[in-house]
Amino acid sequence: DTGVSQDPRHKITKRGQNVTFRCDPISEHNRLYWYRQTLGQGPEFLTYFQNEAQLEKSRLLSDRFSAERPKGSFSTLEIQRTEQGDSAMYLCASSPRPRGNTEAFFGQGTRLTVV
Amino acid sequence: AQSVTQPDIHITVSEGASLELRCNYSYGATPYLFWYVQSPGQGLQLLLKYFSGDTLVQGIKGFEAEFKRSQSSFNLRKPSVHWSDAAEYFCAVGPNTGFQKLVFGTGTRLLVSP
Repeated sequence: DTGVSQDPRHKITKRGQNVTFRCDPISEHNRLYWYRQTLGQGPEFLTYFQNEAQLEKSRLLSDRFSAERPKGSFSTLEIQRTEQGDSAMYLCASSPRPRGNTEAFFGQGTRLTVV
Repeated sequence: AQSVTQPDIHITVSEGASLELRCNYSYGATPYLFWYVQSPGQGLQLLLKYFSGDTLVQGIKGFEAEFKRSQSSFNLRKPSVHWSDAAEYFCAVGPNTGFQKLVFGTGTRLLVSP
């Protein structure tokens, strides 16, 4: 098991373009989370999946953002019509079905730069 | 409102000296508490966590943290800092349900001087 994997690690895009990021969680982790981290800040929760169901979305997730987890395994986060304010590190995390105390395991993130 | 406060933006410690990073939280219920470390351009690595029981928890890399309910604090400590500890440290709180919707502090950047 190689941990949570995110692709790409870095993305530079022009304002107005669409981008898509992928997250592969730890196998058999049924919970998957997306966070966004801007420079000098801590990560902020964006959305959460349990299997393929998206159970919660933050108000930070505007209508330009969409996340999917179609088969309950990997997830994608798409940003349409990117803006400079979307520049950030996008972090994915996964956790197992809780039996007792559990924690989330984070990937290394995708750093997005919108120019 | 749920929040985490890390009052120190930067801390510089001499190698071999002791370290304490402060964390205060505001949370409606009994929270789960975490400390993560992040090296530049990298993701988050869990140092330690508090769920229940003994209020002094041990983590990786020689770190420990103490949960003080009366002070709503969860400060991170290390008796002797190594140069490799230089990184950004984040305190986080989450619900005690296993649902990892975490609220993070703004982080403390640790610099280690020779």
